[in-house]
Amino acid sequence: ETGVTQTPRHLVMGMTNKKSLKCEQHLGHNAMYWYKQSAKKPLELMFVYSLEERVENNSVPSRFSPECPNSSHLFLHLHTLQPEDSALYLCASSKGAGSPLHFGNGTRLTVT
Amino acid sequence: SQQGEEDPQALSIQEGENATMNCSYKTSINNLQWYRQNSGRGLVHLILIRSNEREKHSGRLRVTLDTSKKSSSLLITASRAADTASYFCAWGRDTGFQKLVFGTGTRLLVSP
Repeated sequence: ETGVTQTPRHLVMGMTNKKSLKCEQHLGHNAMYWYKQSAKKPLELMFVYSLEERVENNSVPSRFSPECPNSSHLFLHLHTLQPEDSALYLCASSKGAGSPLHFGNGTRLTVT
Repeated sequence: SQQGEEDPQALSIQEGENATMNCSYKTSINNLQWYRQNSGRGLVHLILIRSNEREKHSGRLRVTLDTSKKSSSLLITASRAADTASYFCAWGRDTGFQKLVFGTGTRLLVSP
């Protein structure tokens, strides 16, 4: 158990579907992150939510929409995805500046 | 690009041997971290070294940092089959929230 829980573990969706990924942390951290991990590519930071601000990677398409209702929960809403969006989506949390990230086990997303 | 490189991309050794992985980055940093990832799982934080430190130990792990060369190395001594995983370095700044940039990773295979 990592302290960061992601659901679902696996998701297969068509390009016209709408789905959401969920992340929950019970570590008392104040920053949460979405990363995308594709084969043979470095981890790509998609979004960050902290007490101070929300930061997003400007290269992330608008078909990905994050939501952070409180410091313990983070969602990634997906709609009209493309096959190249198939990847492992990792959620992480941290105490803040200078602290290590704690990752969930990810959601393996396949877009058909 | 803020990305860096890790080498080798893959490393295959026998149990009991030492494994050395190298990381190079391109920006100024306040800290550098190493993470481990088992296949299809989330990343697990191993060790953090700050920019004013040159070497750090944790169990069988030894990390060095050379900020003049913008490089770091991870040494795993007396490796075990259970050390088989991918290893990633990540660098970031302490200012504000923790925003890490990850390297490309080294796949380590330790054979019994």
